[in-house]
Amino acid sequence: EVQMVESGGGLIKPGGSLRLSCAASGFIFSNAWMNWVRQAPGRGLEWVARIKSKPDGETIDYAAPVKGRFIISRDDSKHTVYLQMNSLKIEDTALYYCATGRAFDIWGQGTMVTVSS
Amino acid sequence: DIQMTQSPSSLSASVGDRITITCRASQTIPTYLNWYHHKPGQAPKLLIFAVSNLESGVPSRFSGSGSGTDFTLTISGLQPEDFATYYCQQSYSAPLTFGGGTRVDIK
Repeated sequence: EVQMVESGGGLIKPGGSLRLSCAASGFIFSNAWMNWVRQAPGRGLEWVARIKSKPDGETIDYAAPVKGRFIISRDDSKHTVYLQMNSLKIEDTALYYCATGRAFDIWGQGTMVTVSS
Repeated sequence: DIQMTQSPSSLSASVGDRITITCRASQTIPTYLNWYHHKPGQAPKLLIFAVSNLESGVPSRFSGSGSGTDFTLTISGLQPEDFATYYCQQSYSAPLTFGGGTRVDIK
């Protein structure tokens, strides 16, 4: 069964750090381009970051609001993609999804990150 | 960065109606345009990729068209399960961007 499961969300104070994980199964992870997408309360979908596969150079891209603060990485041996989130801001509060594919055909259920003092 | 503008932002419709949602890109994105459907409490779902290709398992009442900068999603014969929010997304160049969404609710 094709599946992706996010974890690592929680309540964190502004300025803090959090690492999200997304464990994948049921497809060839090493060939997959992996993304993080978020949805803030009452807002639309916002793409956060992408890491391409090793055969495609493991190129990394970020959305402007998170560049310099978030780091996406992958461990193909564990079929897992990570999002290290540093210097968190209140506006980073959102449900964070991992999604795969050039068009995002597989999504996890999301993990909630709340940044609040 | 490529901006994606969807319209309308919301619409009310009845079961059986035909509706069209439009998406405009701020620059040409050839065929790198995808559509998603999102219901509260669920993961978003890919409906159409590369402008007009139906994702496996998606009913044929959904269709997409367009080229360059202007694209449309059409639902012919709305069903109760179609009331949701729809997003377009360009996958042509990073940063990848979504449209603001179109909420479709029951009239």
